[in-house]
Amino acid sequence: GENVEQHPSTLSVQEGDSAVIKCTYSDSASNYFPWYKQELGKRPQLIIDIRSNVGEKKDQRIAVTLNKTAKHFSLHITETQPEDSAVYFCAASERGGTSYGKLTFGQGTILTVHP
Amino acid sequence: DAGVTQSPTHLIKTRGQQVTLRCSPKSGHDTVSWYQQALGQGPQFIFQYYEEEERQRGNFPDRFSGHQFPNYSSELNVNALLLGDSALYLCASNELHSYEQYFGPGTRLTVT
Repeated sequence: GENVEQHPSTLSVQEGDSAVIKCTYSDSASNYFPWYKQELGKRPQLIIDIRSNVGEKKDQRIAVTLNKTAKHFSLHITETQPEDSAVYFCAASERGGTSYGKLTFGQGTILTVHP
Repeated sequence: DAGVTQSPTHLIKTRGQQVTLRCSPKSGHDTVSWYQQALGQGPQFIFQYYEEEERQRGNFPDRFSGHQFPNYSSELNVNALLLGDSALYLCASNELHSYEQYFGPGTRLTVT
């Protein structure tokens, strides 16, 4: 089955700096890669996703890149703000055919943005 | 438009007991997935329901079972509770042909 590794487990930055979180996956059939943000005691919130036919996607201060050959994808947050502090999870899934989109998650990254 | 809702919010059970958790999907969504999130870990896939049938299952024992109703809402049942079943149980919903899964707030289950 799919295995997703996420690094680093904790990340501390100063407000205004950039933050990068990296994930690798094992199943070459995976074709959908979402990122979720989970604040303490709250639900995981989908913040950005990328499909395997695209190498990069950007939404304001966040971007995701995908390298299918190396089987890794990354989340980039620019101009970080204290409200970006949360746990971030990457995930991978295979959609299409007889695959129904089961999400396999990484272990999470605790991001702390210091004012 | 209500998002995914779950009940109850918190639950305390004793080892060996049985529990039922409930989920209502986001309006327009017909597929429901359940995940278990242990403290400090990423969510782990339990199973997915579509058209009232279990369509895909993760590596969880048969003590974990579910059901989906004609209105697309779903239940997760866990029998013979173990201390290790203590976790946040998350429900996620999506439209059949949509990639994006949206999560509910979860049910925090504590087994003593």
